[in-house]
Amino acid sequence: EDQVTQSPEALRLQEGESSSLNCSYTVSGLRGLFWYRQDPGKGPEFLFTLYSAGEEKEKERLKATLTKKESFLHITAPKPEDSATYLCAVGSGGSYIPTFGRGTSLIVHP
Amino acid sequence: ETGVTQSPTHLIKTRGQQVTLRCSSQSGHNTVSWYQQALGQGPQFIFQYYREEENGRGNFPPRFSGLQFPNYSSELNVNALELDDSALYLCASSSSGGESETQYFGPGTRLLVL
Repeated sequence: EDQVTQSPEALRLQEGESSSLNCSYTVSGLRGLFWYRQDPGKGPEFLFTLYSAGEEKEKERLKATLTKKESFLHITAPKPEDSATYLCAVGSGGSYIPTFGRGTSLIVHP
Repeated sequence: ETGVTQSPTHLIKTRGQQVTLRCSSQSGHNTVSWYQQALGQGPQFIFQYYREEENGRGNFPPRFSGLQFPNYSSELNVNALELDDSALYLCASSSSGGESETQYFGPGTRLLVL
């Protein structure tokens, strides 16, 4: 059974204070690791898909990296508008149906 | 390009009632997946439809059922509602029977069961 663990559960940062969110996973044959951003009461917004160890993707202040056991979402010089819950999910085996972690709630203070 | 839409946005039902939630997939997508998200949790997979056939199911009882229509829109039906069914219900669309890497989510339907 696929397992996804995200840490920390919650993170408070000052504006401009860079940090990283962690997503550890256990899967049988990774087919894709996904990062989403979710604002309160709304649907998840797609950020990145990573397929293989060593892969990196960037979007504005966000950078996602992948190893064989975990993924990191690096946030550089965050702004208050980056405040949200960040969800990690993995697809494995014969299906891209993802298994989600519980998310990291990020609050960036001005 | 039209994104994923869901209706209604909010719904209040009483225990034992039945509910139907609707989803229109993103243009060009032929696969729809439904998720239940309880407060403070990640989305839990309910089932997926590809070309009008169920293409995978999570650990949900048979009173959760669905349909996909020829235009790839979809419905989620829940019978005999229970209090624990209160959650945000999310629809996500993708292409090629789920073999595409990315699912795009709609805004969700917030269901409250009293």
